[in-house]
Amino acid sequence: DAKTTQPTSMDCAEGRAANLPCNHSTISGNEYVYWYRQIHSQGPQYIIHGLKNNETNEMASLIITEDRKSSTLILPHATLRDTAVYYCIVRGLGAFNAGGTSYGKLTFGQGTILTVHP
Amino acid sequence: NAGVTQTPKFRILKIGQSMTLQCTQDMNHNYMYWYRQDPGMGLKLIYYSVGAGITDKGEVPNGYNVSRSTTEDFPLRLELAAPSQTSVYFCASWGAEAFFGQGTRLTVV
Repeated sequence: DAKTTQPTSMDCAEGRAANLPCNHSTISGNEYVYWYRQIHSQGPQYIIHGLKNNETNEMASLIITEDRKSSTLILPHATLRDTAVYYCIVRGLGAFNAGGTSYGKLTFGQGTILTVHP
Repeated sequence: NAGVTQTPKFRILKIGQSMTLQCTQDMNHNYMYWYRQDPGMGLKLIYYSVGAGITDKGEVPNGYNVSRSTTEDFPLRLELAAPSQTSVYFCASWGAEAFFGQGTRLTVV
């Protein structure tokens, strides 16, 4: 899996948009960008994923740069309940990437601690 | 649809004891994972499986063993519990996205 780099922590005011960046400069052409979050010590929760087009769902928007080397997760109106650790990971959907390496091994980085304050 | 189910939710072990953490998924996913998360830290991959009968080591496999005899089940075995294995353990399965269980909180004393 391609490596990702995220800021350690970010703050956001309640009601404002939270923009969480992620760098994935070694991403392969068929690897997707996924975002997860972990609230307290619960199991990580899926937020959104995308390949190259911008994506939006009921939780967030995902903006992927044209060269696909970075992306931004946007929480349009952050609430106190959005305080969590946010993980950006990249992974292909098939069994193997173009180089023949298995997608099986899936590791997480340290993520970004997002604190939403009143 | 239960998703990923982990049992037990909590356990206290004495040093040297053994136990098996159970993980079951009902989504027919080939890929399954075990992670551990120490307080204030990120997720560390222990073992993973890409299908029944196929397992491989992750980042921190020492002290653990796994098996994958069926698509649904991926148990994690601790043979000789040590205080360093005190952690929260998460099981996950991956289809088009990853689904995580709610975790097992293990304390070794």
